[in-house]
Amino acid sequence: AQKVTQAQTEISVVEKEDVTLDCVYETRDTTYYLFWYKQPPSGELVFLIRRNSFDEQNEISGRYSWNFQKSTSSFNFTITASQVVDSAVYFCALRFRDDYKLSFGAGTTVTVRA
Amino acid sequence: DTAVSQTPKYLVTQMGNDKSIKCEQNLGHDTMYWYKQDSKKFLKIMFSYNNKELIINETVPNRFSPKSPDKAHLNLHINSLELGDSAVYFCASSPANENTEAFFGQGTRLTVV
Repeated sequence: AQKVTQAQTEISVVEKEDVTLDCVYETRDTTYYLFWYKQPPSGELVFLIRRNSFDEQNEISGRYSWNFQKSTSSFNFTITASQVVDSAVYFCALRFRDDYKLSFGAGTTVTVRA
Repeated sequence: DTAVSQTPKYLVTQMGNDKSIKCEQNLGHDTMYWYKQDSKKFLKIMFSYNNKELIINETVPNRFSPKSPDKAHLNLHINSLELGDSAVYFCASSPANENTEAFFGQGTRLTVV
């Protein structure tokens, strides 16, 4: 069975602070794919980033960066210099090879205060 | 213009009624999904279709019946609605390759009264 855990239920920060969202997953497979999605107050689900299990290179894309570590089964996501518009629920998700579904974590609600 | 569109966006209905939610994608994807988001924001897969064939039926009551007339459409019909069916239902699509993200519709907020 696969499982995604987002231990942080809510995070509140002041604008311009950095925010790091934790994601830990369980899998016995060697090939899998990890995702982060954002759900703003308007309700839609917006894709943010994707990582393959065989590529541990960490990257930065604008104000977003991620830290993927297979050794600890973690896929953490950081927003640098947060803005009010970053306020949303953030979901980590996992998909196996040859599997037709995403398994989501419970989500972390991020509130950025001006 | 919208990649994955689902209608209606809001649906309020009485217990016992039958209702449908429609979903269409114009991305040329082979795979479509229905997810349910409950009041605690938890997202769970309901159905997955690949090339119009049902691949995943995740222990959903048989009052829920998906229908895929073609690769671009995946509709969800719900019979005998119950209070516990109140949730947000998301349609999504993706290429068959699992190494790609899924694109979600804007969601349908179903309220059963």
